[in-house]
Amino acid sequence: EVQLVESGGGLVQPGGSLRLSCAASGFTFSSYWMSWVRQAPGKGLEWVANIKQDGSEKYYVDSVKGRFTISRDNAKNSLYLQMNSLRAEDTAVYYCARDDETIDYWGQGTLVTVSS
Amino acid sequence: SSELTQDPAVSVALGQTVRITCQGDSLRSYYASWYQQKPGQAPVLVIYGKNNRPSGIPDRFSGSSSGNTASLTITGAQAEDEADYYCNSRDSSGNHPWVFGGGTKLTVL
Repeated sequence: EVQLVESGGGLVQPGGSLRLSCAASGFTFSSYWMSWVRQAPGKGLEWVANIKQDGSEKYYVDSVKGRFTISRDNAKNSLYLQMNSLRAEDTAVYYCARDDETIDYWGQGTLVTVSS
Repeated sequence: SSELTQDPAVSVALGQTVRITCQGDSLRSYYASWYQQKPGQAPVLVIYGKNNRPSGIPDRFSGSSSGNTASLTITGAQAEDEADYYCNSRDSSGNHPWVFGGGTKLTVL
């Protein structure tokens, strides 16, 4: 059974940093692209970033370029999102998702709140 | 960047058929996927590719596409189908790999 478990969310002040983690199990993690998708309160889904199997390619939505960094550790079956210079508009539930021919499996999400 | 447009809300009588649509230029090149999201839960993939259902998704869910429009059809809607539905596809503009529609709130009357 595919499982994705996010952690690391919380309350952070504007301009602060946070690192999200995602522990993957139930599939060969190193064989798949992985994505982060977020959802602001009461809003729709927004794709944030993804990373190739070996970490050699990374893509970001324009609004987070230069502030967020996606990475992975295939030995630990883990995906990460380093978020710097956080803004109020980054407040959202962040989902870790497996990225294959489509985004097929999602974690339960971790809430990030950016507020003073 | 590419955009996918969905109607904000659609309603259907219990047991009837409903179609939820998604429009965007990227759909001329790529298939849409469809996700169901219930309050407080993560999205669940219901349709992907030409018209594929993941294991466990009822066969009342089906997908189709024509030109720049993709559709999700629920034939014989059930009360448990009341949810938000999102489409997504690859971003053909080259700005980033994925784009989501704004979502459609489905109400089953």
